[in-house]
Amino acid sequence: EAGVVQSPRYKIIEKKQPVAFWCNPISGHNTLYWYLQNLGQGPELLIRYENEEAVDDSQLPKDRFSAERLKGVDSTLKIQPAELGDSAVYLCASSTAGEPLTQYFGPGTRLLVL
Amino acid sequence: AQSVTQLGSHVSVSEGALVLLRCNYSSSVPPYLFWYVQYPNQGLQLLLKYTTGATLVKGINGFEAEFKKSETSFHLTKPSAHMSDAAEYFCAVSEDNYGQNFVFGPGTRLSVLP
Repeated sequence: EAGVVQSPRYKIIEKKQPVAFWCNPISGHNTLYWYLQNLGQGPELLIRYENEEAVDDSQLPKDRFSAERLKGVDSTLKIQPAELGDSAVYLCASSTAGEPLTQYFGPGTRLLVL
Repeated sequence: AQSVTQLGSHVSVSEGALVLLRCNYSSSVPPYLFWYVQYPNQGLQLLLKYTTGATLVKGINGFEAEFKKSETSFHLTKPSAHMSDAAEYFCAVSEDNYGQNFVFGPGTRLSVLP
């Protein structure tokens, strides 16, 4: 069984440019999470989806961040425009309705904003 | 709101020695507790979790953790460290069994010396 897939793995952009990250969760996992992980810190939840519905986006900076999960499967997280402080690792995770406490994480996308 | 503290951002042990990584939490309700491991350039992997029942929880790779309500602790241990255990370890807490309000600690980097 394939794990959570994220792309790209690395991205370098200049500030004020847009950037997008893609995540494909494990097949059959209805819950999808996007986390932000700053260097030397634990992940912080940005948004959580139940199928295609965003059920918790309270920590998502909506002035520049957006996310979608149109068909309840894969998801895209976008930043526009990017700022220097957005440099971090963006992690995607998924879980099933039957075991919501067991999250499976992807390898992350490491973003560097210059 | 719940929170997690991990004493010691960096712990070094000799190969074969006891591993002890500390985690304390605060929660207004009985918590669900987790330990995750993160190897370089990889996503997080669940080591073990406490939901209900037995307070001593065994996980993968020989790790175990004990939930002590009176001490609000969930320390991670392994009797004998192996070089392959070198990684970042994160403790996390959730106040419900739906995966909402998942909060990670800042992490502890474990180094294993030959």
